[in-house]
Amino acid sequence: GQQLNQSPQSMFIQEGEDVSMNCTSSSIFNTWLWYKQDPGEGPVLLIALYKAGELTSNGRLTAQFGITRKDSFLNISASIPSDVGIYFCAGQISNFGNEKLTFGTGTRLTIIP
Amino acid sequence: KAGVTQTPRYLIKTRGQQVTLSCSPISGHRSVSWYQQTPGQGLQFLFEYFSETQRNKGNFPGRFSGRQFSNSRSEMNVSTLELGDSALYLCASSLRLAAENEQFFGPGTRLTVL
Repeated sequence: GQQLNQSPQSMFIQEGEDVSMNCTSSSIFNTWLWYKQDPGEGPVLLIALYKAGELTSNGRLTAQFGITRKDSFLNISASIPSDVGIYFCAGQISNFGNEKLTFGTGTRLTIIP
Repeated sequence: KAGVTQTPRYLIKTRGQQVTLSCSPISGHRSVSWYQQTPGQGLQFLFEYFSETQRNKGNFPGRFSGRQFSNSRSEMNVSTLELGDSALYLCASSLRLAAENEQFFGPGTRLTVL
């Protein structure tokens, strides 16, 4: 199935560091979403982006909808232990009758003590 | 308000068997979507049900099927299980169509096929 290219695949950082990850696609999307998944749980929506160029924040998280509509970025500032988990981007193009989400491959974030 | 619940949480089956997974959406939500998550393929969309009708379908073989009941609860069935069907199966509910509303995910059912 189709997937978005998400990078990096994994990150090992120290508490307090800032984190950046991105997602690219060969197709354009109308909506970009960022999710976080903790072990044994389903993904939880962090940020939703609906307009090219949009920059949206949710606490220490900031995400941007790329101007080309083919990419998106997520930044986490001053990381804390509860930020550990897998982050997924997801894109959606609203063709009537075909609105399914396409997910990225995920970025696993680990905080080194 | 209770979240999305999925049963069972864990399941072990053998090749050739069939399995049925259940998903209860958040109260008042009418759309249920199913996803398969594997380390190699990531999260792949299976199908979406809204008001008891399949609205969207991913690229999975016909062995994967689903249905939705009048109370919005949904079941997913996989027949003639293969080793590659081992995965975490997630369902997500939304108030209306998933394209229009935020989806809330359940904890998943981890299926192991031996």
